[in-house]
Amino acid sequence: GAVVSQHPSWVICKSGTSVKIECRSLDFQATTMFWYRQFPKQSLMLMATSNEGSKATYEQGVEKDKFLINHASLTLSTLTVTSAHPEDSSFYICSARDTVRGAITEAFFGQGTRLTVV
Amino acid sequence: AQSVTQLDSQVPVFEEAPVELRCNYSSSVSVYLFWYVQYPNQGLQLLLKYLSGSTLVKGINGFEAEFNKSQTSFHLRKPSVHISDTAEYFCAVSDQAGTALIFGKGTTLSVSS
Repeated sequence: GAVVSQHPSWVICKSGTSVKIECRSLDFQATTMFWYRQFPKQSLMLMATSNEGSKATYEQGVEKDKFLINHASLTLSTLTVTSAHPEDSSFYICSARDTVRGAITEAFFGQGTRLTVV
Repeated sequence: AQSVTQLDSQVPVFEEAPVELRCNYSSSVSVYLFWYVQYPNQGLQLLLKYLSGSTLVKGINGFEAEFNKSQTSFHLRKPSVHISDTAEYFCAVSDQAGTALIFGKGTTLSVSS
């Protein structure tokens, strides 16, 4: 099946610094990618929808200035956690659906990024 | 608005026993339903999906699910579980081809010998 690659798989950063997470669709094009956040033992909460060539759409309660999303090409979306704080520590997962084919498909998920802010 | 309810947060079973993980959804339009499995510190892997057609859907690893429109349910079943099936299982729904999936809270399946 289709592959979505997410990098890095884990990162530890100091409070106040910024961290960039990349999400790539390796064998298909995705005009839209999705970013989720998952707290321990909890479900995936949609943070934002990343649209190629335009601004991301953020879910209610998600700070767009803190979680910067860039979708510069049909195969790459990035999430930058700016001025990270310990409460931003979480598991971040990206997802993409093969929208170019036009058919209804499942969403393919990256491996996730474990962010720890110390 | 769509929503998904997974009725059981934890399901402990013994190896080789059957299991059913329950999922109910709400949506005002046509739905597409999915079950994903997640192992610790990993992304999600698709088990099966219902897009249209036959209401009984067969997936990987011996799992199957049945779409029941009248009961707005999409329960996941396996006739005989293995230790390796221990994981977190998520039911998800979307109403259009390109939109984000909305997830239930997940069910932890624990299989013991």
